[in-house]
Amino acid sequence: AQSVTQLGSHVSVSEGALVLLRCNYSSSVPPYLFWYVQYPNQGLQLLLKYTTGATLVKGINGFEAEFKKSETSFHLTKPSAHMSDAAEYFCAVSGFTGGFKTIFGAGTRLFVKA
Amino acid sequence: EAGVTQFPSHSVIEKGQTVTLRCDPISGHDNLYWYRRVMGKEIKFLLHFVKESKQDESGMPNNRFLAERTGGTYSTLKVQPAELEDSGVYFCASSQDRGGIVNTEAFFGQGTRLTVV
Repeated sequence: AQSVTQLGSHVSVSEGALVLLRCNYSSSVPPYLFWYVQYPNQGLQLLLKYTTGATLVKGINGFEAEFKKSETSFHLTKPSAHMSDAAEYFCAVSGFTGGFKTIFGAGTRLFVKA
Repeated sequence: EAGVTQFPSHSVIEKGQTVTLRCDPISGHDNLYWYRRVMGKEIKFLLHFVKESKQDESGMPNNRFLAERTGGTYSTLKVQPAELEDSGVYFCASSQDRGGIVNTEAFFGQGTRLTVV
């Protein structure tokens, strides 16, 4: 079975500060890992994904995430937060089990202070 | 190319009524998924179609929910009769298998916000 745990339902940072959103997963097979973002009144947008290969994945809007198998983690980072980054972020996992359905974490709402 | 489209974007209905949500996947995508996010909780899988066949409906909450995918194109999700706890955002996603290699990315629609009063 696969599962995702996002640490912290709310994270608040100052504009220009480092953004770190934590995600740990559980999977009995090699996972595919994703970060999605949902801006207010919009749908889910893929930020980045890890499938195979390089463990450091770069996504849109300056975000990146590193797949660490030993820690079963896929934390999302951005060096400098911008006001426009305020949104809800979802870590997700899928894989060969379960027909590639996506299992989501509970979400982390990011607040950016001026 | 159009993305995944969901109709309506919002729906407010009374308890006991029927509502039908529609999802138009990306053209050529055989896989279609429905998900739901109830207020304050995580996004949960409902079911998965491969073309017109239900591959996995393990996430459907009860028999008040009926999903169809006529001809393997668009899909509908009907809730009948609706209950208060059905309120939430319903997402649809689609993905494409390429030559037997399952695509790793699902594209999501904007979601339908359902409110049952």
